[in-house]
Amino acid sequence: QSVLTQPPSVSGAPGQRVTISCTGSSSNIGAGYDVHWYQQFPGTAPKLLIYGNSNRPSGVPDRISGSKSGTSASLAISGLQAEDEADYYCQSYDSGLSGYVVFGGGTKVTV
Amino acid sequence: QVHLVQSGAEVKKPGASVKVSCKASGYTFTGHYLHWVRQAPGQGLEWLGRINPNSGGTTYAQNFQGRVTMTRDTSIRTAYMELSRLRSDDTAVYYCARDQGSVFFDFWGQGTLVTVSS
Repeated sequence: QSVLTQPPSVSGAPGQRVTISCTGSSSNIGAGYDVHWYQQFPGTAPKLLIYGNSNRPSGVPDRISGSKSGTSASLAISGLQAEDEADYYCQSYDSGLSGYVVFGGGTKVTV
Repeated sequence: QVHLVQSGAEVKKPGASVKVSCKASGYTFTGHYLHWVRQAPGQGLEWLGRINPNSGGTTYAQNFQGRVTMTRDTSIRTAYMELSRLRSDDTAVYYCARDQGSVFFDFWGQGTLVTVSS
């Protein structure tokens, strides 16, 4: 059971927009800690996609965006492409007993 | 450019220990925390802890307290993660990851598969 809750899967047709939610609590996202997102393809290491809730590292297209409100955060992918098919994880900091760094359970995006 | 290169796959018996290394290059080794994250087959990401390569100070996840030890050798820019009293559910890919500075990970090692089987 992950500290941050994500839907197991989302799907969309090419060109559509999908969103992935990440729900936490008052000891992590709700406490004001930043949310970060990673993309992972099978057999490879995760790659940073969004940091500090809504910032994109160099090389990440602007059709990918992040937001945060209250105890939740969201990742949005617009203009869905076949290359977006991957697993996505949210991550934050937790000040409670859950630990220092916490992850969501991951969401599989199917195009 | 930044690279984190991990040691190769390991097969261990239950009750044994495993030590995984992570060699850093392309940046100031002592300037960034290194974290360890694992991923069991078909499962999500799980944080094990972190080390400050400058001081050697560590913080471990509660679930691994007493079983995990993180160390570093600054002379060869390498961090280590040792997990003891291995169980079958410790079978996973273990990653090291560089903390950019605000508790998120901008570079990752390629991963080390640890298989625990009798």
